[in-house]
Amino acid sequence: AQSVTQLDSHVSVSEGTPVLLRCNYSSSYSPSLFWYVQHPNKGLQLLLKYTSAATLVKGINGFEAEFKKSETSFHLTKPSAHMSDAAEYFCVVSDLTGGTSYGKLTFGQGTILTVHP
Amino acid sequence: AAGVIQSPRHLIKEKRETATLKCYPIPRHDTVYWYQQGPGQDPQFLISFYEKMQSDKGSIPDRFSAQQFSDYHSELNMSSLELGDSALYFCASSITLAGYGDTQYFGPGTRLTVL
Repeated sequence: AQSVTQLDSHVSVSEGTPVLLRCNYSSSYSPSLFWYVQHPNKGLQLLLKYTSAATLVKGINGFEAEFKKSETSFHLTKPSAHMSDAAEYFCVVSDLTGGTSYGKLTFGQGTILTVHP
Repeated sequence: AAGVIQSPRHLIKEKRETATLKCYPIPRHDTVYWYQQGPGQDPQFLISFYEKMQSDKGSIPDRFSAQQFSDYHSELNMSSLELGDSALYFCASSITLAGYGDTQYFGPGTRLTVL
């Protein structure tokens, strides 16, 4: 069974400072990992995805994440936070087992990012 | 670029009523997924369809049913609504290649309120 643990339910940073949102995963197979962002009362937008190519993945809006198999982690980072980054972020895993699974997603509990002026 | 379309965006129903949510996937996407996000919770997988056949099933109540039509749009039918069904319902679509679902793109969601 696959699972995702987001280590912080809330993260607060000042504008212009680095962002780190932590995620650990558990998967029986080679996983695909994603980060999605959800702004208040909005849908889920894909930030980036890892699918066993490069371990450092670059996404939209300056975000990137590094897949570390030895640590079963997929932390999301951004060098400099912007006010518009304030939202809820979900780390998501998909087991591409095929056959019985067409890639249903398992979400982490979410991390709410607050950005202070 | 075309996105996933969901209708209606907001729906208010009374207990024990029925509701139908619709999802129109991105053109050429053959797989549709439904998720339920309760207040303050992460989205939970309900059910998915590939090429009009149910491909996977999650924690979907027996009161709910869904199907995918020949034009690939999908409908989630919910009967005997309960207060606990109040949630944001997301539809996502993807292309499935050789049995593997690719990246899922989400619609804006339908907010269902049961009174």
